[in-house]
Amino acid sequence: GDSVTQMEGPVTLSEEAFLTINCTYTATGYPSLFWYVQYPGEGLQLLLKATKADDKGSNKGFEATYRKETTSFHLEKGSVQVSDSAVYFCALTNNNDMRFGAGTRLTVKP
Amino acid sequence: GAVVSQHPSRVICKSGTSVKIECRSLDFQATTMFWYRQFPKQSLMLMATSNEGSKATYEQGVEKDKFLINHASLTLSTLTVTSAHPEDSSFYICSATLSGDYGYTFGSGTRLTVV
Repeated sequence: GDSVTQMEGPVTLSEEAFLTINCTYTATGYPSLFWYVQYPGEGLQLLLKATKADDKGSNKGFEATYRKETTSFHLEKGSVQVSDSAVYFCALTNNNDMRFGAGTRLTVKP
Repeated sequence: GAVVSQHPSRVICKSGTSVKIECRSLDFQATTMFWYRQFPKQSLMLMATSNEGSKATYEQGVEKDKFLINHASLTLSTLTVTSAHPEDSSFYICSATLSGDYGYTFGSGTRLTVV
């Protein structure tokens, strides 16, 4: 079945460092891909998404490009802030069911 | 934007009792709602998919008699944990969609603690 494999954390970075969180997927057809963020004490929030190959999703300085040839959707940010500390989930949806990666906890230190 | 309200946010119950969790789409009609369970340090696990007016589809390994899901209207789905036990303690999250193309909106989650 469909699945998402996400880079294991935790990831600890200093403020203004470059962030990459790897995500690869296995799916039939052409799934839509998402990154969700969960801040402490809050529910999941959609961060960005891409619905077809070569699409780039972006939001709040985060970017991810849908790469069908490598079945990847890596999350990047050029300069992280302390407020970016959260758990990030890569996800896909195919035929309506959503599958999530394991989540990556990011801690950004001042 | 689309809002999904999940209630309660936290609940503590005694072993053997039942707990009902509500998931409401406030400004759109959700044809499909999903219920997830999040174990500590683990990803969300899809428990079941419910479509309005029909029986929920449960994932393998999820006890349908223990986790009762009702999706009686286009704006409300409920998850009832029956005869709860401490191992049912977890974080439960719902999500709703009008259709997959419109994206998914998550509730804020319910932290269930069974004592």
